[in-house]
Amino acid sequence: EVQLVQSGAEVKKPGESLKISCQGFGYNSTNHWIGWVRHLPGKGLEWMGIIFLNDFDTRYSPSFQGQVTISADKSTKTAFLQWSSLKASDSGMYYCASLGYHEFLTGSPPVPQFYYFLDVWGKGTTVTVSS
Amino acid sequence: DIQMTQSPSSLSASVGDRITITCRPSQTIGRSLNWYQQKPGKAPKLLIFAASNLYSGVTSRFSGSGSGTDFTLTITSLQPEDFATYYCQQSFRTPSITFGQGTRVEIK
Repeated sequence: EVQLVQSGAEVKKPGESLKISCQGFGYNSTNHWIGWVRHLPGKGLEWMGIIFLNDFDTRYSPSFQGQVTISADKSTKTAFLQWSSLKASDSGMYYCASLGYHEFLTGSPPVPQFYYFLDVWGKGTTVTVSS
Repeated sequence: DIQMTQSPSSLSASVGDRITITCRPSQTIGRSLNWYQQKPGKAPKLLIFAASNLYSGVTSRFSGSGSGTDFTLTITSLQPEDFATYYCQQSFRTPSITFGQGTRVEIK
């Protein structure tokens, strides 16, 4: 069974740094994208960014570019989300999720079309930033 | 960035009702639209992918339709376990994606 296991809850002070992790189990290769999603209390899901485990290609949401750093360790199939200086407004739940896909054959002759989705999710890491 | 607009932001319904949630991207995305369900304190779960395809293990009470800039999620015969928040998500620009703001489905 494929699963993503996230690191435990964190309590930090403003200005401190933090690195949380998301380790994949049951994956038979590193050809996977793992992304991060923020969920603040009372708010909706926010896409933060994503990393390809095999070559560390990383994409950030414009809202989070420069605010966080996403990295990975291919050998352990682990993705990381890092802050250099936390703010109280960073308090919330952070989920990792892997990008799956489904291939459809359409047209004549059949041409493959790929559709992507977040199919495997970690249970989330709660981050609390308070003085 | 593709912006995703969901409506309504919340709705109240009764067990057995049929409800519809709408999602409109700011530009055409073909059928690259997914729907998720999230319950309080839990990770989201994938319900529908590629606009209308039911994900493995998801009850057929859920269905999706649409293409381009107009998509809907329909839940027929609402059950107590369906009261949750629902999000649409575009995958047209994969691996860069965006979520809608969510629709909270509450018990009337």
